[in-house]
Amino acid sequence: NAGVTQTPKFQVLKTGQSMTLQCAQDMNHNSMYWYRQDPGMGLRLIYYSASEGTTDKGEVPNGYNVSRLNKREFSLRLESAAPSQTSVYFCATGTTRNTEAFFGQGTRLTVV
Amino acid sequence: QKEVEQDPGPLSVPEGAIVSLNCTYSNSAFQYFMWYRQYSRKGPELLMYTYSSGNKEDGRFTAQVDKSSKYISLFIRDSQPSDSATYLCAMITMDSNYQLIWGAGTKLIIKP
Repeated sequence: NAGVTQTPKFQVLKTGQSMTLQCAQDMNHNSMYWYRQDPGMGLRLIYYSASEGTTDKGEVPNGYNVSRLNKREFSLRLESAAPSQTSVYFCATGTTRNTEAFFGQGTRLTVV
Repeated sequence: QKEVEQDPGPLSVPEGAIVSLNCTYSNSAFQYFMWYRQYSRKGPELLMYTYSSGNKEDGRFTAQVDKSSKYISLFIRDSQPSDSATYLCAMITMDSNYQLIWGAGTKLIIKP
């Protein structure tokens, strides 16, 4: 039982390059989330998906796009990476009312 | 001003001490209060959550919510080196579609 799986774990991009972060869950949760975590700033919500087929912007959506492929998978795309997007990215799923969130192991992204 | 404030630390205490971690918040509509633990290079994991005011105990951990003061606390008794981690508080209001609002996290170090 893997829970929430993110790929890749590490990535270095050059400014302007694009990439997609993948997330898959086997917990049968409807809600899925993408966060970024920067030192001193806690977790900031980028996008979320309350159910299959729906996505909504979070606190910091600029420069990102998402796709909820099916109930299990929720991907995050950086179309043209910028150094300001250097961060640790976490995918998460949530129970009803989000009283418990389950996180992946994170993707450490560096944009040079 | 952030909705949820949390001292980033680090907080360093000797093994066996009682630890007190705290968050303050400004939104009186918050109803669910969570504490997550995050080990280095891992995703956060839920320790416990409380609905509305009061105390909740789970083993060595006690969560306390004082809605009148807009203040929540996590106490750790008989602290162990394995408790060394970053502790994040998070809160939910139904008004924001059950989105988690996060504190920045407090880094805790338990010295053997």
